[in-house]
Amino acid sequence: GDSVTQMEGPVTLSEEAFLTINCTYTATGYPSLFWYVQYPGEGLQLLLKATKADDKGSNKGFEATYRKETTSFHLEKGSVQVSDSAVYFCALPDKLIFGTGTRLQVFP
Amino acid sequence: ETGVTQSPTHLIKTRGQQVTLRCSSQSGHNTVSWYQQALGQGPQFIFQYYREEENGRGNFPPRFSGLQFPNYSSELNVNALELDDSALYLCASSLGPRTAGTSGGNNEQFFGPGTRLTVL
Repeated sequence: GDSVTQMEGPVTLSEEAFLTINCTYTATGYPSLFWYVQYPGEGLQLLLKATKADDKGSNKGFEATYRKETTSFHLEKGSVQVSDSAVYFCALPDKLIFGTGTRLQVFP
Repeated sequence: ETGVTQSPTHLIKTRGQQVTLRCSSQSGHNTVSWYQQALGQGPQFIFQYYREEENGRGNFPPRFSGLQFPNYSSELNVNALELDDSALYLCASSLGPRTAGTSGGNNEQFFGPGTRLTVL
């Protein structure tokens, strides 16, 4: 069946380090792919999205490219900040399926 | 424009009790989806309501039920609570329903802050 697999956390980084959070998916058809972020005590917020192969979504310095050949949608940021500390979810929104989340902790 | 709101924020119940959680959708949205998020896990789809009708259901037993009202607000009801029902319950609203097999990113959902349910 359809599914999303994320790398397990927590991911612990120092400020200004490079971030990669891996996400791979299994799905029929040509799904959209989203990354959501959940800050402590809050609901999920859409971070970025891609709707077709080779699309690159970007927002707040984060980027992810929809790779159909590797069924991946890895999240990257060149220089993380303490304020990026949160849980990140990869999702197949058309299927209403979310990954298990990856906690990012950034220290000064 | 107000966002998605949920009430209550926190709730403590005992096994066997019943609970009702409430959600007000974002202005202009006619679709509400409910999710259960256990600690350390991603949201699991419970069901979706579109124009007051159930429009899809995840792998949850019938003791999880819902309603959508004419103003598109929604309730989630859980009967005969079990310890494993302890979780964060998220409501999300959108402009339209999930349409199986399609892409296009037009199903963006806007999430509320959630209700934390603890079952003792």
